Amino acid sequence: EVRLVESGGGLVQPGGSLRLSCAASGFSFSDYWMSWVRQAPGKGLEWVANIKEDGSQKNYVDSVKGRFTISRDNAENSLHLQMSSLGAEDTAVYFCVRDPRGRPPDYWGQGTLVTVSS
Amino acid sequence: AIQMTQSPSSLSASVGDRVTITCRASQGIRNDLGWYQQKPGKAPKLLIYAASSLHSGVPSRFSGSGSGTNFTLTISSLQPEDFATYYCLQDYNYPFTFGPGTKVDIK
Repeated sequence: EVRLVESGGGLVQPGGSLRLSCAASGFSFSDYWMSWVRQAPGKGLEWVANIKEDGSQKNYVDSVKGRFTISRDNAENSLHLQMSSLGAEDTAVYFCVRDPRGRPPDYWGQGTLVTVSS
Repeated sequence: AIQMTQSPSSLSASVGDRVTITCRASQGIRNDLGWYQQKPGKAPKLLIYAASSLHSGVPSRFSGSGSGTNFTLTISSLQPEDFATYYCLQDYNYPFTFGPGTKVDIK
């Protein structure tokens, strides 16, 4: 069974930083691209970033470029999202999602809430 | 970035109804489109990939069609557990973009 468990969310002040993590199990983690998708409270879904199987390629939505960094540790079956210069617009539930090559993201974690507020 | 639109934004339907949701891309995306179902407080679930292929474990009452810029998701006979919000997603190029969602509720 594919299992994705996010952690690291919480309350952070504007301008602050936060690092999200995702623990993956139930599949061969190093064989898959992985994505982060977010959802602001009461709003729709927004794809944020993804990373290639070996970490050699990363893609980001324009609104987070230069502020967020996606990374992975295949030895630990973990995915990370380092977020900096956070603003209120980054308040959202962040989902870790498996991203099969050539297909849309398929399995999702339950999400971790990031709240940016003073 | 490719813009995705959906119609309607919401609809009311009864159990047993046939429901169709439309998704349109601002430029051609071949068949690189997925459909997701999301219930309140839960993570989205993939229903359809490659515009018309059923994801593993998804009931056959769900079907998808289309290519290029126009796509549809059809639920052939709405069940109580299908009341949810549905999103389309283009994975043709980066950044991947979602439609704004269609909320299906009980008439």
